[in-house]
Amino acid sequence: AQSVTQLDSHVSVSEGTPVLLRCNYSSSYSPSLFWYVQHPNKGLQLLLKYTSAATLVKGINGFEAEFKKSETSFHLTKPSAHMSDAAEYFCVVSVRTGGFKTIFGAGTRLFVKA
Amino acid sequence: GAVVSQHPSWVICKSGTSVKIECRSLDFQATTMFWYRQFPKQSLMLMATSNEGSKATYEQGVEKDKFLINHASLTLSTLTVTSAHPEDSSFYICSARAQGAFTSYEQYFGPGTRLTVT
Repeated sequence: AQSVTQLDSHVSVSEGTPVLLRCNYSSSYSPSLFWYVQHPNKGLQLLLKYTSAATLVKGINGFEAEFKKSETSFHLTKPSAHMSDAAEYFCVVSVRTGGFKTIFGAGTRLFVKA
Repeated sequence: GAVVSQHPSWVICKSGTSVKIECRSLDFQATTMFWYRQFPKQSLMLMATSNEGSKATYEQGVEKDKFLINHASLTLSTLTVTSAHPEDSSFYICSARAQGAFTSYEQYFGPGTRLTVT
């Protein structure tokens, strides 16, 4: 079975400080992992993806994530938060199990304080 | 590239009426499209998967007669909410996988449609 756990429902940081959004997954198959960002009343924008290549993945807007198989984690980081980063972030796992299955995490709301 | 559009972006309808939401892949052909529903402050819930030219596969608990999905071409899928009720009010998001993307798990998401049933 596949599952995704985003360990924090909300994270609050000050502008200019590092961001860490945590994601753990469980999968019986080799997964592809994604981080998406959603601003209010908007669709999802892909930040970055891991698809069995380099374990450290760099995405847009300064975000990056590291795939750690031993820890079954795919945490999202950014060295310095910007006010515009305030949004909802979703960790997503996709696997091919005969069909094609995608599992969304519950989401983490990022607040950025001035 | 890989842009997905939805129309309308926002719709209000009266209880008992039907409303159609379109999802289009603008610069690629999408063999498979997905329809999600999102309640406020919650994650996305997959409603159904539609493959071009065949019937949609609905997730458990989703009423197929209420949420009619048509995927008549490689660039267009529609979701029709029939006999809408206030509890159908939600944010509906579609996504698409590119044709030939056998090994690519990436989905491209539309901007969403806010449905309000009065």
